[in-house]
Amino acid sequence: NAGVTQTPKFQVLKTGQSMTLQCAQDMNHEYMSWYRQDPGMGLRLIHYSVGAGITDQGEVPNGYNVSRSTTEDFPLRLLSAAPSQTSVYFCASSYSIGSYNEQFFGPGTRLTVL
Amino acid sequence: RKEVEQDPGPFNVPEGATVAFNCTYSNSASQSFFWYRQDCRKEPKLLMSVYSSGNEDGRFTAQLNRASQYISLLIRDSKLSDSATYLCVVIINDMRFGAGTRLTVKP
Repeated sequence: NAGVTQTPKFQVLKTGQSMTLQCAQDMNHEYMSWYRQDPGMGLRLIHYSVGAGITDQGEVPNGYNVSRSTTEDFPLRLLSAAPSQTSVYFCASSYSIGSYNEQFFGPGTRLTVL
Repeated sequence: RKEVEQDPGPFNVPEGATVAFNCTYSNSASQSFFWYRQDCRKEPKLLMSVYSSGNEDGRFTAQLNRASQYISLLIRDSKLSDSATYLCVVIINDMRFGAGTRLTVKP
């Protein structure tokens, strides 16, 4: 099993550009989520999905869109990149959300917006 | 007030030392608790779940105090390989992370 994979690993964008961060998992997990990690802030939840066709907003959803057409894939779209979106982005998956369900994280995408 | 708060450290301890971290949470409806470990520039990985009665995994002991709304992590006989950032995680309807406590174990 590859676990959770993310592409790209690094990305530099100019302000106003759009892009999609890819996330895939091969563990047949229902729950998938996107986080951003900034220095001193910890991981903050952007969007999550409890299954194909179902998504919901997390703590910091503005400026990001998601969709979940398959169980395996959960892409994150930046609509119009801003310098405030410079961060490390982690995708995670788990069997479900709740007690004693381990979240598996991808290796992260380091995004810089100039 | 942040939902999940941790002392950022850094904690610098010698090998063999015992070190403890606390994490406080603000929402009394919090359901589940975890400690994750994150190495520099890597993804977080589950260290251990925190059970109501407390639990131990080798050199690591986790405790939950619902009355005072905090969880703790105790590491005994610290190893160089324990150097990392330890993230406190609380589940209400979704996962909320603390900012992490950085630990450096020195020879």
